[in-house]
Parts: sequence; C-alpha cells; structure tokens
Amino acid sequence: SQTIHQWPATLVQPVGSPLSLECTVEGTSNPNLYWYRQAAGRGLQLLFYSVGIGQISSEVPQNLSASRPQDRQFILSSKKLLLSDSGFYLCASTILATNEKLFFGSGTQLSVL
Amino acid sequence: SQELEQSPQSLIVQEGKNLTINCTSSKTLYGLYWYKQKYGEGLIFLMMLQKGGEEKSHEKITAKLDEKKQQSSLHITASQPSHAGIYLCGADRRYGGATNKLIFGTGTLLAVQP
Repeated sequence: SQTIHQWPATLVQPVGSPLSLECTVEGTSNPNLYWYRQAAGRGLQLLFYSVGIGQISSEVPQNLSASRPQDRQFILSSKKLLLSDSGFYLCASTILATNEKLFFGSGTQLSVL
Repeated sequence: SQELEQSPQSLIVQEGKNLTINCTSSKTLYGLYWYKQKYGEGLIFLMMLQKGGEEKSHEKITAKLDEKKQQSSLHITASQPSHAGIYLCGADRRYGGATNKLIFGTGTLLAVQP
C-alpha cells in the first residue's frame, strides 16, 4: 500500500532563515506529487505539483520553491523565510493511472517567528 | 475568489444528532472528494463522487453529488465524538490532461458534544 512520509512534524524557524521540508513516497512509482499549505482557519492551497523528476509547476507566486530530485522524493524549500510562510504544509501523492484520489502525508506545522 | 464554498464553517452538535455539510461550486465538478482532518494531522480520504446524482455511504457517513455536479452534501447520521474534526471537500481541476490538481474548500469544523 502507498504511504507518504513527511518530516519534520513541527518546525519553528526565525524570519530570514532557510527552509527544507522533505516528503518521500513508498509503494508506488511515478506518482504525481503535490505540496499544499493550510493557513490557520483556511482551506488548503495548492503550492506546487510535479509529474516527474525535475518537473515542477508553481500554482502561486511566493517565497517558496520545490524540487524533485528522485521519483519519490519531493522537497519544499525557501532561502529566507517570511512570517507569512507560517502554516501547515502537506505533501500529497496520486497515482497517474488511477487519478482517483490524493494520499496525504501527516503534515509539517511551520511557525516562523 | 474561493471556487469551493463550504457551509457551515463550523458546527457543534449533540452526540446522536444528524448533521449535513454542504460544498458548492459555480463550475461543474469533474470529481468531488470528501476528506476528514484531525487538527494538526494529514487528511483522510472519505469518498469520491463523479457522476451526477451519485450517492455513496460508508458506515454512518453519506455523500451525494447533485445532478448538475455543482453541489455536494455530506450527511452524518447519529453523530459520535469520533466524527469530530475538519471536513474538507476537494474538486478535480483536470483540464483534459493527466495531471490531477485538487482544489479545496475552506473546511467545516465539526464538534460533537457527548
């Protein structure tokens, strides 16, 4: 069965510091991968998605970037964090052949102070 | 503007009561997904609806998609404390390609009082 690993679970970072959140997928190959952000009291906002290694599409302009160095690895990064980057970050995966549903990781709670 | 509107934003019910959460879109939905989220955790898939008029049930939760495929409802019968959490509807924004990009509503926070 497919599982998604996200780490860390929580992170407190000062403004201006760098960020690296990692997501790895097991149990499938060539998945579509997604990064969502959930701000307090709001729904999920799609940030990036990837259909393959090195292929990244950005949904909204922002201070963040994403990379996919391996088929089942998706990384969310920032060179300098802003206060507005705080939120709950979720990695998700879908299988291209089915496209029936998204599987989500357990999320990373990021607080920028 | 928010493409998916959920109502109510929050809901408090007594244990044993029935409740309904709605999800509305101004555009036709090609796929409608319901997820549940415990605070600070990932999303758990509940059900997916694709056809107009479709209805699916799992245990005490029933989801429906209207004939026009612009509105979905999630109904919980005889609510229990384990039903508490945030319920999110998501819609498929497939543009004819293989990429499946889900957009989500703002969520409904459900509390069930014993």
